Amino acid sequence: EAQVTQNPRYLITVTGKKLTVTCSQNMNHEYMSWYRQDPGLGLRQIYYSMNVEVTDKGDVPEGYKVSRKEKRNFPLILESPSPNQTSLYFCASSLSFRGTTNTGELFFGEGSRLTVL
Amino acid sequence: DAKTTQPPSMDCAEGRAANLPCNHSTISGNEYVYWYRQIHSQGPQYIIHGLKNNETNEMASLIITEDRKSSTLILPHATLRDTAVYYCIVRVEFGGGTSYGKLTFGQGTILTVHP
Repeated sequence: EAQVTQNPRYLITVTGKKLTVTCSQNMNHEYMSWYRQDPGLGLRQIYYSMNVEVTDKGDVPEGYKVSRKEKRNFPLILESPSPNQTSLYFCASSLSFRGTTNTGELFFGEGSRLTVL
Repeated sequence: DAKTTQPPSMDCAEGRAANLPCNHSTISGNEYVYWYRQIHSQGPQYIIHGLKNNETNEMASLIITEDRKSSTLILPHATLRDTAVYYCIVRVEFGGGTSYGKLTFGQGTILTVHP
């Protein structure tokens, strides 16, 4: 089954304790990205990756790191989490969007709810 | 700056058509209009997309104005299960510019379908 898998789905942690949220897709997609969702603010892009070893900042990258060493994985790293990073996080992936050959549809994971105390 | 603007909320009666507007007045010639929806706190789900022609699939219809500055998503016979947040975004084709990877979803429109 084609899917984007995030782990953990739920996590409560403390300020300063490094954590990684993993994201894996099985669709051979080149493009992957991370979003956070907060009440009243909608979905905001954190980082994205156009392909292996190619990453770039989205709108809210501060306090996050990413890496793309393999095509299927795109982990989100919080080196020193703070309470303002308490949020619902989504990973998404798609083929490189070319209007004549594919829809460019984004496939989203089920979300990871992170609480930083 | 937001690339699209949507009303924060809309209501619709079950069985009637739901028409959700989106303004994208600064859209570029190689940017496509996409619609997604999010039910509760699940991951958003793709609905439909288009460049300049009207599009229809099993879920919805997309009407894009001739000047491409706005569009309307139409759910022809809304059901209670269509209650969700609907997002309109624009996306450039790969190779179409440096903005390819950056996507702005905004806050979307909360559609409530009532009996």
